[in-house]
Amino acid sequence: GENVEQHPSTLSVQEGDSAVIKCTYSDSASNYFPWYKQELGKRPQLIIDIRSNVGEKKDQRIAVTLNKTAKHFSLHITETQPEDSAVYFCAASTINSGYALNFGKGTSLLVTP
Amino acid sequence: GAGVSQTPSNKVTEKGKYVELRCDPISGHTALYWYRQSLGQGPEFLIYFQGTGAADDSGLPNDRFFAVRPEGSVSTLKIQRTERGDSAVYLCASSLSSGGFGELFFGEGSRLTVL
Repeated sequence: GENVEQHPSTLSVQEGDSAVIKCTYSDSASNYFPWYKQELGKRPQLIIDIRSNVGEKKDQRIAVTLNKTAKHFSLHITETQPEDSAVYFCAASTINSGYALNFGKGTSLLVTP
Repeated sequence: GAGVSQTPSNKVTEKGKYVELRCDPISGHTALYWYRQSLGQGPEFLIYFQGTGAADDSGLPNDRFFAVRPEGSVSTLKIQRTERGDSAVYLCASSLSSGGFGELFFGEGSRLTVL
């Protein structure tokens, strides 16, 4: 089955700096790559996603890049703010699994003022 | 309702007991997923329903775990002979898309503690 690796497990940045989280996946058939944000004690919520026919997608301060050849994708957050502090999960899915998402282990991001 | 509803929010049980966790998805969402999340980990896929049928149950850890969705809406995750290792937050999610690139809408989860 699909195996998603995520790095780093923790990340601390100063407010205003950029944060980058990287993920790799194993199943070359994976074609959908969402990112979820989970605040402490809350449910995961989708923040951005990318499909395999696109190399990059941007939404205000967040962007995701995908390298299908290398089987890795990254989340970029610019001009970080304290409210960006949360756990971020990458995921990958394929039609072979009915699009059930396989999640990475998460990155705990702390943005200090 | 406005979102995915899960009950109970917290369940404490003794080892060996039977538990049921309920999920009420967003109205009209045909796809329903169960995940399990342990502390400090990402959600771990358990089972996926498309309508009433389990399209993929490859994530169920063993035959003590079973899930149903008899009318294609509400789903129940059933755990027999609970073990301490079953303690986790059980997340349910639903999606409008039937096997496409749909956003998963998660419930708040049911926190299961097995003593």
